[in-house]
Amino acid sequence: DTGVSQDPRHKITKRGQNVTFRCDPISEHNRLYWYRQTLGQGPEFLTYFQNEAQLEKSRLLSDRFSAERPKGSFSTLEIQRTEQGDSAMYLCASSPQRLAGGPDTQYFGPGTRLTVL
Amino acid sequence: GNSVTQMEGPVTLSEEAFLTINCTYTATGYPSLFWYVQYPGEGLQLLLKATKADDKGSNKGFEATYRKETTSFHLEKGSVQVSDSAVYFCALSDRSGGSYIPTFGRGTSLIVHP
Repeated sequence: DTGVSQDPRHKITKRGQNVTFRCDPISEHNRLYWYRQTLGQGPEFLTYFQNEAQLEKSRLLSDRFSAERPKGSFSTLEIQRTEQGDSAMYLCASSPQRLAGGPDTQYFGPGTRLTVL
Repeated sequence: GNSVTQMEGPVTLSEEAFLTINCTYTATGYPSLFWYVQYPGEGLQLLLKATKADDKGSNKGFEATYRKETTSFHLEKGSVQVSDSAVYFCALSDRSGGSYIPTFGRGTSLIVHP
């Protein structure tokens, strides 16, 4: 399977704990995006990488959130001191630079569902 | 800023009925427009797209036409199937600045009964 993968699929944690999610994009996709999706809403943009460079961050991304993409391959999203309001589905997507579909077509992973108790 | 407005769901139809899901947008630039579909337990996947005015995107019997004059991109299908039951998201991607960061609507749930 060469699609976008995310790990873990589900995470339950207690308030105040730190959590880290991983995303493996489609190989050779140089753009990688993180989103948050809550029930009944569309995905909300969090941050975006082109290769290893983090080029844009949403105001939704508080200082408790940090994302990395070392070597321009997989990416991690860490949430420190989790709060109940962080409970959501965290989605990762990648897109190609010049391959079929163009840079504006997103390929999504299945998401990581976070529950903060 | 950019925004996408979709009709609220759920939309409930019988098999073989005609489907329309309305989507309108506001954008500061000249965006590409998309419909994504999310089946239960799965991630979003691209259904169709259109990149300029009057373009028609189509896939799996679904169609949508980029209407710049009415800022709309309504999704249609002539005969829905039970397997079309899913959540449908309208989105735009503003190409200005080269970031292509999309803006999504809230999603419209479609339920098709046999």
